[in-house]
Parts: sequence; C-alpha cells; structure tokens
Amino acid sequence: GAVVSQHPSRVICKSGTSVKIECRSLDFQATTMFWYRQFPKQSLMLMATSNEGSKATYEQGVEKDKFLINHASLTLSTLTVTSAHPEDSSFYICSARSGQGYNEQFFGPGTRLTVL
Amino acid sequence: GENVEQHPSTLSVQEGDSAVIKCTYSDSASNYFPWYKQELGKRPQLIIDIRSNVGEKKDQRIAVTLNKTAKHFSLHITETQPEDSAVYFCAATDSWGKFQFGAGTQVVVTP
Repeated sequence: GAVVSQHPSRVICKSGTSVKIECRSLDFQATTMFWYRQFPKQSLMLMATSNEGSKATYEQGVEKDKFLINHASLTLSTLTVTSAHPEDSSFYICSARSGQGYNEQFFGPGTRLTVL
Repeated sequence: GENVEQHPSTLSVQEGDSAVIKCTYSDSASNYFPWYKQELGKRPQLIIDIRSNVGEKKDQRIAVTLNKTAKHFSLHITETQPEDSAVYFCAATDSWGKFQFGAGTQVVVTP
C-alpha cells in the first residue's frame, strides 16, 4: 500500500514553455501533498504544501506565479512550471500524506526536468 | 522554523564495519524523525523512523537513537554491505508537520 506515482518521469522542454507534472496517490486518499525540488548533490527542498480543495502554501523564496499547484482531488496534485528557464532544470519530487499516520509522507518517483 | 544539520557529508567504510550518521534539530516541538536512503535518480526510501516518545528503535542492521534533551538523533548501520552505498537523509517535522531535511550523507561501502 501507500503508492505514489508521478508523470512524466522525464521531460525536456524549450525555454519559455510550460510543463505540467502530475502526482497521484494510487491506493489511499492524500489530504496533503508536498512538492520538493532537488538539485544535483543537494538535499530535498520543500517548495509548497497543498491541501485538497484549498490554495497551496509556498515556502519562502518560491514564486507562486511560476510554480502553479493544483490539488483538486484527494488523489491528484499537479505542479505546472510556467515559462520554464534553464535554471528551473531539476529533479521534482512529490509526496503525499493521508489523514491517518499523520507524519509519514510517501514519495513519488520524481520527475527530471531539463529546460534547454 | 526548523533547522536540521547532518554530519558527516561523506562517509567511507569497509564492508562489515559500522556506519553512524548524526543529525541535530532546532524545533523542540518536532515529534517525528525519519531516515531516508536515496539512490541516484530515484525517490527517497524510508528506512527507519522514530517518534519523540521513543528513545531507540531497531530494525535488523539499522537502528536510530533519539535524544530529545540534546535535540539530536543518529542512524546506525551495522555489518555494512556494498548495497548500503547511497545518500542518506535525516528529517525532522516542524510544528506544521512539514519535513525539514538534513543536507545528506554520501555513504560508500568498499568491499
């Protein structure tokens, strides 16, 4: 149980385009989902927290107009990187948490974004 | 907010020896401390976790200890094997239940 999927696993796009990444909880309802960014040889940095049906909460320094997050259902959250630039190239990982087992987060496999 | 420091940044051990990674945290309200193993290009995998009402937890070759007074927790891996080579991250929850990760430790186990 507690499986989280992400799609796509890899994406290459041109500078200035937008990219959407999907995060799904496959066998549980995720009341909260988190989006992280990880640069090479660095730790996971939390970008934002989303709760189903409400606006996402962004961490300091993360542009909410650039990284659009939607958590429209208890099993799906999406991250859209708008007007992507090469510096947005990174490994994006989502995680999901159910109402039960409040603390534990289940991670998706990640999406490697490369902006040319 | 929560601040987590992790040491060492790299750790080389001979196969069969033990490895210890230490983390400190700043938020006394933190109550959950997971450890993750991450292989290159893959998702973090939970290997063990501990809650603030427990001082020690063990699962086969892996153990975690927590000292709430000193605000530090440690990961212990005994009888290391080459497949233990990876990056290990500690984390602590802040008062909102969000994870703050340590900087990571690259563990290399040489045969």
